[in-house]
Amino acid sequence: EVQLVESGGDLVQPGGSLRLSCAASGFTFNNYAMSWVRQPPGKGLEWVSTVSSSGTNTYYADSVKGRFTISRDNSNNTLSLQMNSLRAEDTAVYYCAKDRTSVTTYFFDPWGQGTLVTVSS
Amino acid sequence: EIVLTQSPATLSLSPGERATLSCRASRSVGRYLAWYQQRPGQAPGLLIYDASNRATGIPARFSGSGSETDFTLTISSLEPEDFAVYYCQQRRNWPLTFGGGTKVEIK
Repeated sequence: EVQLVESGGDLVQPGGSLRLSCAASGFTFNNYAMSWVRQPPGKGLEWVSTVSSSGTNTYYADSVKGRFTISRDNSNNTLSLQMNSLRAEDTAVYYCAKDRTSVTTYFFDPWGQGTLVTVSS
Repeated sequence: EIVLTQSPATLSLSPGERATLSCRASRSVGRYLAWYQQRPGQAPGLLIYDASNRATGIPARFSGSGSETDFTLTISSLEPEDFAVYYCQQRRNWPLTFGGGTKVEIK
């Protein structure tokens, strides 16, 4: 069974930094692109970032470009999101998501349960 | 950026009724569109990919149709567990984008 378990969410002050992690199991991690998608409280979904299976290629939403860095450790089956210069509008539940197939589709299946990031003073 | 507009925002129906949800793209996405279901307090789950293909384990009462700019998710007969929020997502162009969601609520 595929499992994605996010961690690292916390309360942080504006301008601060946070690192999220996603521990993956139940599939061959290094065969799949992985993504982060976020959801502000009571609102809809926003794609944040995607990394290719090898880690070579990364993609970012304009809203986080230059502040967030996605990375992966294929030897430890872990996806990460380094978030710097955090703003109030970054407050959201952050989901880790696996690509649907090993031939990258940029559709997400499954998703982790999410980790809450709150940016507030 | 491709904007996805979902309608209606809320759909009030009874169990057993048919639900028809719409997703309109600001420009063509071909058939590169997916639908997700999000139940309260849960993470989203993939229902439909490439406009009309059901994901693994998804019941046949869920069907997707459409291409280019107009897409539809149909739930043929609502079960109690189907009352949830539904999102569409395109992968035709970066950035990947989601629609604003349609909430299917019990009437």
